[in-house]
Amino acid sequence: DAKTTQPPSMDCAEGRAANLPCNHSTISGNEYVYWYRQIHSQGPQYIIHGLKNNETNEMASLIITEDRKSSTLILPHATLRDTAVYYCIVRPSFGNNAGNMLTFGGGTRLMVKP
Amino acid sequence: DTGVSQDPRHKITKRGQNVTFRCDPISEHNRLYWYRQTLGQGPEFLTYFQNEAQLEKSRLLSDRFSAERPKGSFSTLEIQRTEQGDSAMYLCASSLGGQANSPLHFGNGTRLTVT
Repeated sequence: DAKTTQPPSMDCAEGRAANLPCNHSTISGNEYVYWYRQIHSQGPQYIIHGLKNNETNEMASLIITEDRKSSTLILPHATLRDTAVYYCIVRPSFGNNAGNMLTFGGGTRLMVKP
Repeated sequence: DTGVSQDPRHKITKRGQNVTFRCDPISEHNRLYWYRQTLGQGPEFLTYFQNEAQLEKSRLLSDRFSAERPKGSFSTLEIQRTEQGDSAMYLCASSLGGQANSPLHFGNGTRLTVT
């Protein structure tokens, strides 16, 4: 079962920041928070991940609360091409020889509007 | 771009036929995963390999499904005696190692339609 809760859908105006929330209140200390997105008819695309600290890359920023029970993915200037389903995933860490696979939930369908 | 490559992109088959899909991972990645995605749902884990060894299989992977990665590079997923319920997108992903901080990179999938 997915260990995260996300709103099923959100809208954002083009050019504005898109803030996508995720609740993961049962996260364990060594579990990472991952974000992926999936544009129609394509495979999931890796965006960013983090453990405790906030992270930023060329695509987005990830803000993780101090208690790690929730996080927010920020797309600073959303474009129409950012319209997609965004998945927040808590990934277990059992060591290098374990599965450590990703378990996807339903995600948030982000619609960027002109 | 040397991302994860899947072939074919689309496959239409009649019920009862066998189908085989191929996945070429990112070249230095030793982990390879197969997922299935039905319309409106998130991807579901099927199985994964570390090098040529298949280390875990989901209960979703019935005995009609078999996956191989013979030389630790490309992988194939075969479905025997296809059923209409097998219609889905089959996704392949790869990663460098199995650490939780090593992202999976996905291909664009093979969409299977069983008529």
